[in-house]
Amino acid sequence: SQQGEEDPQALSIQEGENATMNCSYKTSINNLQWYRQNSGRGLVHLILIRSNEREKHSGRLRVTLDTSKKSSSLLITASRAADTASYFCATDPFGSGGSNYKLTFGKGTLLTVNP
Amino acid sequence: NAGVTQTPKFQVLKTGQSMTLQCAQDMNHEYMSWYRQDPGMGLRLIHYSVGAGITDQGEVPNGYNVSRSTTEDFPLRLLSAAPSQTSVYFCASSRLAGDKNIQYFGAGTRLSVL
Repeated sequence: SQQGEEDPQALSIQEGENATMNCSYKTSINNLQWYRQNSGRGLVHLILIRSNEREKHSGRLRVTLDTSKKSSSLLITASRAADTASYFCATDPFGSGGSNYKLTFGKGTLLTVNP
Repeated sequence: NAGVTQTPKFQVLKTGQSMTLQCAQDMNHEYMSWYRQDPGMGLRLIHYSVGAGITDQGEVPNGYNVSRSTTEDFPLRLLSAAPSQTSVYFCASSRLAGDKNIQYFGAGTRLSVL
């Protein structure tokens, strides 16, 4: 079953604006990751945040994690047309019998950045 | 550095036919997995392996078989294809390194079963 759920399902913005996507999950986690998928391609890892971290930055990406609310957000600042893609959160369930490699992916947010 | 290579990129099958989707990685990763991606469903785990000779079922294993005879290769077999198996299939690999299980994906195989 799906562990993470992204919100919104689709987001359309203008170039230069910021884009925020949210992810909610159900069970305790070791870490949470965000991946990007360009149309017709495989997923590419963007950023990982551990359960004991609250915020992480990587270039124009900012990820926050609130374990009390079981939620995370991905902020892309100063968006570009090349950021157009689907974005997925993936969780690594805590205490899964040592199988901490079985990521569970959400259904994704489709981001469209209009030039 | 090729990363994760999947073949073929596209395939059309008739109901009842069998085929093998190939996946190879050159990063010496212990963990390999197969996902299917369907519209509105996200990625669902089919089978996975934590090393040569070790495989296990994921969320949607029915109709699929896997084997892992080497670290590099993890083929997915469809024994008798059904229209419900029309999907995009992704292979992924990662190290088993503590809490940093970052996965590397192949480009996918687009399968249509008629």
